[in-house]
Amino acid sequence: DAGVIQSPRHEVTEMGQEVTLRCKPISGHNSLFWYRQTMMRGLELLIYFNNNVPIDDSGMPEDRFSAKMPNASFSTLKIQPSEPRDSAVYFCASRLRGLAGGLSTDTQYFGPGTRLTVL
Amino acid sequence: KQEVTQIPAALSVPEGENLVLNCSFTDSAIYNLQWFRQDPGKGLTSLLLIQSSQREQTSGRLNASLDKSSGRSTLYIAASQPGDSATYLCAVAPSGYSTLTFGKGTMLLVSP
Repeated sequence: DAGVIQSPRHEVTEMGQEVTLRCKPISGHNSLFWYRQTMMRGLELLIYFNNNVPIDDSGMPEDRFSAKMPNASFSTLKIQPSEPRDSAVYFCASRLRGLAGGLSTDTQYFGPGTRLTVL
Repeated sequence: KQEVTQIPAALSVPEGENLVLNCSFTDSAIYNLQWFRQDPGKGLTSLLLIQSSQREQTSGRLNASLDKSSGRSTLYIAASQPGDSATYLCAVAPSGYSTLTFGKGTMLLVSP
């Protein structure tokens, strides 16, 4: 498996522009997570989906942020309009929640991240 | 609200040393605790996962322990190598496991 795939890897945009980050989870995984990482705040959960349904979006900073998961193999995180304080690395992770061979499968697998810079 | 603290924030050691990274959490009602490794410019890689009913997990030169009652976990790295240089993050999942709360990590540098 290719692992979790994120695109783009780097994005530089100007304040006020719309930004769309994309994620393809590992095939067969049923949970997907969006995180944001900054030096000041560390790694923070933004939103997570279970079976394509948003379960907890309490970490989404404000209405400028939105996330969708139209099917099990694709998710987007959109920022509109973007602001300089949104500059961070955004990670997507996926997980197979359940049991495999009697063992809990709780490990999250992370993508390489998208480094976003808003000027 | 669960808070996760990792000490030290940075650590520099010569190759071959055994070392311990510390993680503490404020709410002992956890489902599991996980240790991740993050290389510069890369995503996180899961190293070890300890269920709340377990005391420790081992993988190669890595050993992680969990003391729920005191809200502590340690990651022990034996015979450190330059390739171990990375940031190590601890994360805890609450009871009923939904999401993870991460510490800010320990940046480890192992010099040859």
